[in-house]
Amino acid sequence: EVQLVESGGGLVQPGGSLRLSCVGSGFNFSSHWMTWVRQAPGKGPEWVANLKHDGSASNYLDSLRGRFTISRDNAENSLFLQMNDLRVEDTAVYFCSRSRELRLVRALDIWGQGTMVTVSS
Amino acid sequence: DIQLTQSPSTLSASVGDRVTITCRASQSISNWLAWYQQRPGEAPRLLIYRASRLQSGVPSRFSGSGSDTEFTLTISSLQPDDLATYYCHQYSKHPLTFGGGTKVKIK
Repeated sequence: EVQLVESGGGLVQPGGSLRLSCVGSGFNFSSHWMTWVRQAPGKGPEWVANLKHDGSASNYLDSLRGRFTISRDNAENSLFLQMNDLRVEDTAVYFCSRSRELRLVRALDIWGQGTMVTVSS
Repeated sequence: DIQLTQSPSTLSASVGDRVTITCRASQSISNWLAWYQQRPGEAPRLLIYRASRLQSGVPSRFSGSGSDTEFTLTISSLQPDDLATYYCHQYSKHPLTFGGGTKVKIK
């Protein structure tokens, strides 16, 4: 079965850090661009960042550049999101997702169940 | 950044009705547009990619059309299972963006 499973969410104080993880299975993880999308409570999805299949290129939402870092370990079929200097407005469910075509940025066909990040004092 | 404007934001229709949702892009995105369905408490589910191509496993009552800046998602015969919020998504240019959503209610 093709699936993505996120972990690492939780409650953190403003200014704190968290590292999210996403493990893929059932497909050739190292051949797909991977993406983080977040969704604040009651809001629509917001694209956060994506990373090329070989890890050589990445893109970020401008407002997050410098605080968030996307990375991957293809040997472990894993995607990561390091989040620093967290703010209340970063509170959201964070989803990991896969680009549906090999080695290209395309529509997101596989999604994880999401991991909740709550930033609050 | 490319803005995606969906309309309506909410719609209410009866089972069996034909439903159309519109997504307008602030600049040309060719056909690099996807539609997703999201039920409460679930992750988004890909329905349509490249504006009009049906994702595997998605019922044929869903269809997409359009190009450039104007796109539509049509549900030919609304079913109770279609109660959800629908989002368009452009992957033509970074930063990738999503529309604001259309919540579909069943009368």
